[in-house]
Amino acid sequence: GAVVSQHPSWVICKSGTSVKIECRSLDFQATTMFWYRQFPKQSLMLMATSNEGSKATYEQGVEKDKFLINHASLTLSTLTVTSAHPEDSSFYICSAAGTNQPQHFGDGTRLSIL
Amino acid sequence: GNSVTQMEGPVTLSEEAFLTINCTYTATGYPSLFWYVQYPGEGLQLLLKATKADDKGSNKGFEATYRKETTSFHLEKGSVQVSDSAVYFCALAPRGGGADGLTFGKGTHLIIQP
Repeated sequence: GAVVSQHPSWVICKSGTSVKIECRSLDFQATTMFWYRQFPKQSLMLMATSNEGSKATYEQGVEKDKFLINHASLTLSTLTVTSAHPEDSSFYICSAAGTNQPQHFGDGTRLSIL
Repeated sequence: GNSVTQMEGPVTLSEEAFLTINCTYTATGYPSLFWYVQYPGEGLQLLLKATKADDKGSNKGFEATYRKETTSFHLEKGSVQVSDSAVYFCALAPRGGGADGLTFGKGTHLIIQP
């Protein structure tokens, strides 16, 4: 089946640094990619939707200047958490969808900000 | 807005027991409904889906029927196995397909004891 690769799977960094998370669709062209955030024992919350070559659409309450999303190709989207702080610590999950394809999810990235 | 409510866990059952995980939703229009499963240490996998009222999704012995009159999509399995232990998420997409971000329930942790 379709595979979505997310990297890194775990990152620990100091407060104030920026962290980039990559999401790649390995065997199909992802016209749309999604970024979700999951707090412990909570549901996945959609953060933003990105279409290749377009600016991302952010959900209400998500700071677009804090969470920079780039979807420069049909196989790669990146999420950059800028000037990360402890409250940004969470589990971030991407998904990718192509034409007539359901969403396929990456394995997630656990971000810990010290 | 859209929302998904599913029964809180953990749900603990013995092997070969009958499983029901309740899921109800609130949405305008005609959403598509999904069940995703997350095994320990892995990403989300699509378990089954239904795109219109009265559709039944099925996979790996699991079933769920899209009930518009009760706005429900309950997950059932006649005889669970230890390998079914995982977290199950009910989700909806407003328009179906891969173009929309999903709205998830909080997840139900299922534990099957031998």
